[in-house]
Amino acid sequence: EAQVTQNPRYLITVTGKKLTVTCSQNMNHEYMSWYRQDPGLGLRQIYYSMNVEVTDKGDVPEGYKVSRKEKRNFPLILESPSPNQTSLYFCASSLSPGLAGGNEQYFGPGTRLTVT
Amino acid sequence: QKEVEQNSGPLSVPEGAIASLNCTYSDRGSQSFFWYRQYSGKSPELIMSIYSNGDKEDGRFTAQLNKASQYVSLLIRDSQPSDSATYLCAVNGDSNYQLIWGAGTKLIIKP
Repeated sequence: EAQVTQNPRYLITVTGKKLTVTCSQNMNHEYMSWYRQDPGLGLRQIYYSMNVEVTDKGDVPEGYKVSRKEKRNFPLILESPSPNQTSLYFCASSLSPGLAGGNEQYFGPGTRLTVT
Repeated sequence: QKEVEQNSGPLSVPEGAIASLNCTYSDRGSQSFFWYRQYSGKSPELIMSIYSNGDKEDGRFTAQLNKASQYVSLLIRDSQPSDSATYLCAVNGDSNYQLIWGAGTKLIIKP
């Protein structure tokens, strides 16, 4: 089954304790992206990756890191989480934005993060 | 700052009626347009994409694009309670590598 997976689905942590949220897709998609969603603010892009070893900042990259060492994986790293990073996080992927229809994004199930 | 605007709603529609959702965008150069459905606490799910002016139909859903007026709409025929969700409009940004998202319209289908 074609899908985007994320782990963990729920995470409660404390301020300053490094964490990683994993994202994996099995569709051989070139493009992957991380979003956060907060009430009243909609989806905001954190980072995206056009391909292996190619990443770029989205609209709200502060406090986050990413890496793309393999095509299928795109982990999100919070090195020193703070309460304002409490949010619902989504990973998404698309085939190849350069192709017609290639920027249709498919989302993982989400990770609800609470930082106390 | 490129923008995508949607009425936040809620939009209340009787079961069996047509639900009409609208979205306007600011970038005249946009080429790709998407409608996503999101149930509360769940991830966005792609329901329609449209790339050229006119209508595109898929089952009970019809997307309409008017580039001259810079709006895209989604019609849902024979609305069902299961259509109750937030509908997100997304448009490609300066590059195809980013989508600009509207804040979503909450749709409620009343039995």
